[in-house]
Amino acid sequence: GAGVSQSPSNKVTEKGKDVELRCDPISGHTALYWYRQSLGQGLEFLIYFQGNSAPDKSGLPSDRFSAERTGGSVSTLTIQRTQQEDSAVYLCASSLVGLAGFNEQFFGPGTRLTVL
Amino acid sequence: AQSVTQLGSHVSVSEGALVLLRCNYSSSVPPYLFWYVQYPNQGLQLLLKYTTGATLVKGINGFEAEFKKSETSFHLTKPSAHMSDAAEYFCAVSVSNAGGTSYGKLTFGQGTILTVHP
Repeated sequence: GAGVSQSPSNKVTEKGKDVELRCDPISGHTALYWYRQSLGQGLEFLIYFQGNSAPDKSGLPSDRFSAERTGGSVSTLTIQRTQQEDSAVYLCASSLVGLAGFNEQFFGPGTRLTVL
Repeated sequence: AQSVTQLGSHVSVSEGALVLLRCNYSSSVPPYLFWYVQYPNQGLQLLLKYTTGATLVKGINGFEAEFKKSETSFHLTKPSAHMSDAAEYFCAVSVSNAGGTSYGKLTFGQGTILTVHP
């Protein structure tokens, strides 16, 4: 089946504008994660969804960042009033969640965000 | 909280030589450990993982890693490098939550760029 997809693949925006990044997880995967990859900070966890709920938002760097997930499927990460330090690659991953052990996360190709 | 340290941001080897990428972790509870590979302009691909059981785990493309609890290490090796192995490699750790299930939040190391020379 199809893997995790993300759109757009590249986004260039001006400082102060809002952006929306989309993630389509693998069908049937109840867990969804957002990570950010930047030169200065490496790969950082942002937020985790189980179904439509987000029990862990601890990685969101500021209140300009928000995310939602609808229908237990598609997720949108929104960055308001973008700043240059928001420039990074935003990665989405999905996985099954079992009662024991760990389920592999499958990553999308990412959205490269550039804030001018 | 857990953390991961990858020793060496860049590693260069000759084609056919041994590949050794180092990873040390810190975790107060038994960890799940992973190695991911990222090719240019692509997402992350799982190479291998350790959850429980055998401490020597084999992954794709001839890579393997050994979990050494006493050394808190999970180094990645490959006996003979190939040009196609050139990529960035990330070690990651996850732990189970108190309820015994794991929602799988990953903490990554800073990555090691592997260069393979002909």
